[in-house]
Amino acid sequence: QVQLQESGPGLVRPSETLSLTCAVSGYSISSNYYWGWIRQPPGKGLEWIGTIFHSGDTYYNPSLKSRVTTSSDTSKNQFSLKLNSVTAADTAVYYCVRVVLKIVGASRFYYMDVWGNGTTVTVSS
Amino acid sequence: SYELTQPPSVSVSPGQTATITCSGDKLGDKYVCWYQQKPGQSPVLVIYQDIVRPSGIPERFSGSNFGNTATLTISGTQAMDEADYYCQARDSGTEVFGGGTKLTVV
Repeated sequence: QVQLQESGPGLVRPSETLSLTCAVSGYSISSNYYWGWIRQPPGKGLEWIGTIFHSGDTYYNPSLKSRVTTSSDTSKNQFSLKLNSVTAADTAVYYCVRVVLKIVGASRFYYMDVWGNGTTVTVSS
Repeated sequence: SYELTQPPSVSVSPGQTATITCSGDKLGDKYVCWYQQKPGQSPVLVIYQDIVRPSGIPERFSGSNFGNTATLTISGTQAMDEADYYCQARDSGTEVFGGGTKLTVV
C-alpha cells in the first residue's frame, strides 16, 4: 500500500524559501507514476503547484512557475518542493500526491490517486 | 486562464440524490475528476475520467460530463457523504481545480 508523508518546517519567514520533502513508501518513485504538490490555503480550495516525473520532466502552475523548483531522489525514494520568495499568501496546507497519467485517444490527462496527510506551512515573521 | 466554476454549497436530505456541478468552457472536451474532502482530512479521489469510480468508492457515486458542465451525482446520499467536493481538469498543460462545493446532508 503506497503511502506519502510530507515533512519540512512549519514556519517560514517572509522572503525566504519554503522547502518540503515527500517520503514515499510502498512504491518506487522510479516506476510509472508522476508525483506532485497541491496546496490549500486556510479555509480555501485546492491549488495545483506542480508535477514531476523521476526522469526530471516537470510541469508547474504558471502563476507559481517563477518561484517553484521540484526534484526527486530515487535513492531515498522521495521528492521535494522549493518555493522561494514566500509571502503570507503562501501560507497553506501542502499535500504531496501520486499522479496518474492517462492517455485516451488524443487526450492526455492526469489525476491524483494517492494523497499525503498534508503539512501546514505558515509564512510569518 | 481556464476556470472551473462550482456552486459554493448544495444541501440534500438523507436518502435523496445530490447533484454537484462543475462548469467550464468546452469542459465536455476534457476529462474531469472529482475529489471528496472531509474536515481535517486529505482529499480522496471519487471519480476520474468523467465516469470511473476508483476501487473502494461506493456505487452511489457517479459522474457525467457533457457540453460545458460536468456533474457529480450521489444517489441515496448518506450522512457520511457530507464533505467538500472539488472537480479538476487539465487545460493547456495546467491542472485546474474548481472552487469546491460544500455538501450538507440535512
